[in-house]
Parts: sequence; C-alpha cells; structure tokens
Amino acid sequence: RKEVEQDPGPFNVPEGATVAFNCTYSNSASQSFFWYRQDCRKEPKLLMSVYSSGNEDGRFTAQLNRASQYISLLIRDSKLSDSATYLCVVKGDSNYQLIWGAGTKLIIKP
Amino acid sequence: EAQVTQNPRYLITVTGKKLTVTCSQNMNHEYMSWYRQDPGLGLRQIYYSMNVEVTDKGDVPEGYKVSRKEKRNFPLILESPSPNQTSLYFCASRDLAGGNEQFFGPGTRLTVL
Repeated sequence: RKEVEQDPGPFNVPEGATVAFNCTYSNSASQSFFWYRQDCRKEPKLLMSVYSSGNEDGRFTAQLNRASQYISLLIRDSKLSDSATYLCVVKGDSNYQLIWGAGTKLIIKP
Repeated sequence: EAQVTQNPRYLITVTGKKLTVTCSQNMNHEYMSWYRQDPGLGLRQIYYSMNVEVTDKGDVPEGYKVSRKEKRNFPLILESPSPNQTSLYFCASRDLAGGNEQFFGPGTRLTVL
C-alpha cells in the first residue's frame, strides 16, 4: 500500500460546479498535511495547509479526518483556472520528511 | 525575489555522458532536496540535505550524487546517465525552523537517449 494515495482522475467538471477529492495516508503518526497545486509542466506550489479543525481559503476548503486517515479538498464554484493537478502531501513523524501523493488531475470545462 | 533556480531547464543527452543539474536558492533555507517526477508515480525524492555538508538518500538515490558545499547550492550529478533516468527533475528548498512551505525550482526536463 502506498503511503499517500490519491485518485489520479482526471475529474472532468463543468465550470461553476463543486468538486471534492480525497487523499488517504497510511502513517497514523503523520503530523501535518498540505495540498499543493501543479499546473501542466510547472513546479508544484502550496495551495493550503490542512488544519485539524478544517480550514477555508476563499472557494477552497480542506478537512482532515484522523480517525479514517484521510484529508479532503473541496472546491466550490469552480473556475477554468482551477484546472491543474492537486497533490496531497503528508509530513511524517520527522521534521524534514514530506511524502507526496501522485496527484489528482482536475479539468474544468466551460 | 525569493526563488529557486535550476539549470538547464531542458537537456537531451546520451547514455554514459556525465551531467550536472545546478540548483540555487536565495532564501537562506537549510533544507534542500531533489525530486524526480514520472507519470503515475508522483514526486519521488532522490536526495536531500539538512545543511551544508549534510546530505542523505531519499527514496530513489541510485544513479545520482549530490553535494552541498554552500548553503545556497545543491547540484545533482548523474555520473553515467541511463535512459531510465529520463524524467522531470525538481529542486526544492524549505525553511525547517519556519513554515512548512516547500519552494520548488521550475524543473529540468532530462532525456537520456
């Protein structure tokens, strides 16, 4: 079993819809969680951290479920510019180790 | 501007011809690392460095070398490249004492024929 798993997609979603994807992790001692966004052929960039109580940044909401060991990302009122690959990242029980999911590809259609 | 730079951005080479991909960051970050990204496999860490003269293997170190003689630079060396090292490579840096954000270079697309 991979340490961090994501549905690779692609998710084809009409503009304006709400889309959600999950990411599961295997190490229950994991401390921190993040979502990164990667545009085609570009470098990944931090989208948002995921806090235990859940957090929101504009149209984006991230949630953590420690009991079931997954994190989720919800995008409301999706825009064409949201088309990208979304990478789930988990920090292990050391300060330096980041474990990356393979990413979920999202395509927003007009 | 805070950034991570990599050179070259694109490289086509032949099997066995030694090459170096440079990486430099201007944020005074202690931690630097190299990743390769292949379709369906996501980012896999090759090597990382916690500080000057401190380097360690990541998940896929075979066929690669690194050095960290200065804080800002972390070159990736392929002594004898092979076709299975054809990939997209990213250098990244992070402030271990500060936040968790990892900053990436723009990537180097390497093709080994």
